[in-house]
Amino acid sequence: DTAVSQTPKYLVTQMGNDKSIKCEQNLGHDTMYWYKQDSKKFLKIMFSYNNKELIINETVPNRFSPKSPDKAHLNLHINSLELGDSAVYFCASSQGWQGINGYTFGSGTRLTVV
Amino acid sequence: AQTVTQSQPEMSVQEAETVTLSCTYDTSESDYYLFWYKQPPSRQMILVIRQEAYKQQNATENRFSVNFQKAAKSFSLKISDSQLGDAAMYFCAYSSISGGGADGLTFGKGTHLIIQP
Repeated sequence: DTAVSQTPKYLVTQMGNDKSIKCEQNLGHDTMYWYKQDSKKFLKIMFSYNNKELIINETVPNRFSPKSPDKAHLNLHINSLELGDSAVYFCASSQGWQGINGYTFGSGTRLTVV
Repeated sequence: AQTVTQSQPEMSVQEAETVTLSCTYDTSESDYYLFWYKQPPSRQMILVIRQEAYKQQNATENRFSVNFQKAAKSFSLKISDSQLGDAAMYFCAYSSISGGGADGLTFGKGTHLIIQP
């Protein structure tokens, strides 16, 4: 049983396209996140979502939008993809904002924009 | 805002030896959580160990232990009896208790650990 699952694992697309990455967790956690890992392996938070409260990192372009149909899902939609969006995107979940017991990550989605 | 610094971009150790990865952080908070995550070539982020700042006792998980020095804002990871499977990127991370979800986890830039057979 995969705790946090992301699909697809790999995504290659052309500039200007719109794409979505799906994330589901079966841990019963109440908080979910999206992180971006750049080419230098640096991880940075993009969004936090808890009980319908969304917190957006101020550096994230508004072309990126999270969508949560329910507590177990947090999808990432990206409009008008740019070359600089190429990265690995990780979904994660935790119980509570502070992640007392740690954060559980999905296996990542490698997005390549050509 | 909190920052996490890992000053060793790469470390190399012989199999079965002990290695210590360093991590320092900057915060004005008195209570928080610290983590070490491992990222092998498979890309999966795996929680190695966590430490609660209000606990003075250093956390230990089998061959992994931390040296938590709160006053010095230092949180190093010691891996004993290194194994080939320990080869990975290791990330130190900070989680605020009072800051809510806005910051999530703040990561260091990572240390690439190489295990020499």
